[in-house]
Amino acid sequence: DAGITQSPRHKVTETGTPVTLRCHQTENHRYMYWYRQDPGHGLRLIHYSYGVKDTDKGEVSDGYSVSRSKTEDFLLTLESATSSQTSVYFCAISELYSEAFFGQGTRLTVV
Amino acid sequence: TQLLEQSPQFLSIQEGENLTVYCNSSSVFSSLQWYRQEPGEGPVLLVTVVTGGEVKKLKRLTFQFGDARKDSSLHITAAQPGDTGLYLCAGARDGQNFVFGPGTRLSVLP
Repeated sequence: DAGITQSPRHKVTETGTPVTLRCHQTENHRYMYWYRQDPGHGLRLIHYSYGVKDTDKGEVSDGYSVSRSKTEDFLLTLESATSSQTSVYFCAISELYSEAFFGQGTRLTVV
Repeated sequence: TQLLEQSPQFLSIQEGENLTVYCNSSSVFSSLQWYRQEPGEGPVLLVTVVTGGEVKKLKRLTFQFGDARKDSSLHITAAQPGDTGLYLCAGARDGQNFVFGPGTRLSVLP
């Protein structure tokens, strides 16, 4: 299995609170991604990174920010969580033109 | 609006039956990938197809990329309960970012 660890695996938080999800890799892959998965929508890209401190927005980036200060860590922050951000979040890593390896996901519930 | 459509959305069959699921788009992709996802896990890559018309076989699974590189199909022969899962297709647009379809949820009953 590719070395990707997501933390936490489960989280329940209140509306309006900040939340940070962490993705850690041991594969030294250049690209890292955050997706959210919701029924009927498949996986939707939130943000991605193509190197340390190099990030860009995906198709559903509103309400989310990311940071990548080291090759191995990619953080996703919900500045002020809303109920619409209740979802399962997946981190993925890849090299250019190759397959994506996914973490096991973080189930986030905003109440 | 989904860039990639998958059909059927749900499929429940008996062990031993054959099935085909589809992935369709109006866009052209440089490559297309199929993933399988089991409950509580992340998706795992099954195959990547790159050339229009390409056919790849993985044991009982046959993948085809459309000639125009806008669609793909996955055929499973003699399905087994272990094939149960969510099948996702993903198209590459700029060589690195992938767009995922909503998935086909397959249940193979023993």
